[in-house]
Amino acid sequence: EPEVTQTPSHQVTQMGQEVILRCVPISNHLYFYWYRQILGQKVEFLVSFYNNEISEKSEIFDDQFSVERPDGSNFTLKIRSTKLEDSAMYFCASSRQGVDGYTFGSGTRLTVV
Amino acid sequence: KNEVEQSPQNLTAQEGEFITINCSYSVGISALHWLQQHPGGGIVSLFMLSSGKKKHGRLIATINIQEKHSSLHITASHPRDSAVYICAGNSGGYQKVTFGIGTKLQVIP
Repeated sequence: EPEVTQTPSHQVTQMGQEVILRCVPISNHLYFYWYRQILGQKVEFLVSFYNNEISEKSEIFDDQFSVERPDGSNFTLKIRSTKLEDSAMYFCASSRQGVDGYTFGSGTRLTVV
Repeated sequence: KNEVEQSPQNLTAQEGEFITINCSYSVGISALHWLQQHPGGGIVSLFMLSSGKKKHGRLIATINIQEKHSSLHITASHPRDSAVYICAGNSGGYQKVTFGIGTKLQVIP
């Protein structure tokens, strides 16, 4: 069964550094998403991406964050100048159409120290 | 502001029991997801529905649009069903998702 692949599975970074989280969505999917889950809290929507541009974003997704689909297969989330409170599990997801169910990646656990 | 509320937050059941998890949502949410999050953190999409009822194996999801309420039922529960079940609502043209807090289910042998 097709999978959404996320790398790395765990990343530790120094506060103030930039990180790039990578995702390879399912190849025939058209909609891509990033979510985050701070430990012990609910999953939060960050951003959705369609047709090479952001289609929706949450209040969390400020200028510190950016997304890119650099080569037609990868979908990346860049977090600039990381803060301690950015520590969370980040999930990528994709869907063929916006009305379909989503397929989630297994997540990247980001720890900012 | 779109909201999704789940109940109960914690549920313990004996193996074989019929389980119901409830979800209420606010105006502006047009479709509901039911998701399963395993202890390791991975999330699996179980259902997405905007009307009626869907069934997959021992899992059944229903939605009542007028009452803005959805339920997830598990028949003949098994310890491997132990997980966090999350209700999430789509808004904004199916792009933006609001998540519930989740229901932690433990099925005891």
